[in-house]
Amino acid sequence: SQTIHQWPATLVQPVGSPLSLECTVEGTSNPNLYWYRQAAGRGLQLLFYSVGIGQISSEVPQNLSASRPQDRQFILSSKKLLLSDSGFYLCAWSVRAIETYEQYFGPGTRLTVT
Amino acid sequence: GQQLNQSPQSMFIQEGEDVSMNCTSSSIFNTWLWYKQDPGEGPVLLIALYKAGELTSNGRLTAQFGITRKDSFLNISASIPSDVGIYFCAGQLRGGSQGNLIFGKGTKLSVKP
Repeated sequence: SQTIHQWPATLVQPVGSPLSLECTVEGTSNPNLYWYRQAAGRGLQLLFYSVGIGQISSEVPQNLSASRPQDRQFILSSKKLLLSDSGFYLCAWSVRAIETYEQYFGPGTRLTVT
Repeated sequence: GQQLNQSPQSMFIQEGEDVSMNCTSSSIFNTWLWYKQDPGEGPVLLIALYKAGELTSNGRLTAQFGITRKDSFLNISASIPSDVGIYFCAGQLRGGSQGNLIFGKGTKLSVKP
């Protein structure tokens, strides 16, 4: 069966510090991968998605970037965090197939920027 | 951008009651998905709908893909305390980019005080 991992689970970082959040998927190959941000327990905002190694699409201009160095690894980064980057970050995967839209989410990372 | 209107925003449930919530849009969707999120965790997929008019059950949960392809409903029968949480609808817009789901803002279920 497929599993998705995110780490760290929680993170407290000062403004201006760098960020690296990691997501890995097990039990599947060639998945589509996604990063979402969720503020205040509501409303998932798609940040990035990837259909393959090195292929990243950005949905929202922002202070963040994403990379996919391996097939089942997706990384969310920032060079300098802002207060507004605080939130709950979710990684998700889906099967890369036509007309297959189900996305499966990881446990999330709670980021607090102080 | 495209939006899904999810209602109600919140509701209180008493054990044993049936619960209904819905999502509507002015746009046509190819797929409707329903998720549940517990506090501090990632959303869990409950039901996926792919055909207009489709009615699908998962235990006490039943969801329907509206005939117009612009709405979807989720019903929970005989609610129990563990049903509390936030329920999200999500849709794949017809003609939208593969995998770019649009999410509703959620319906928060709480226990009646």
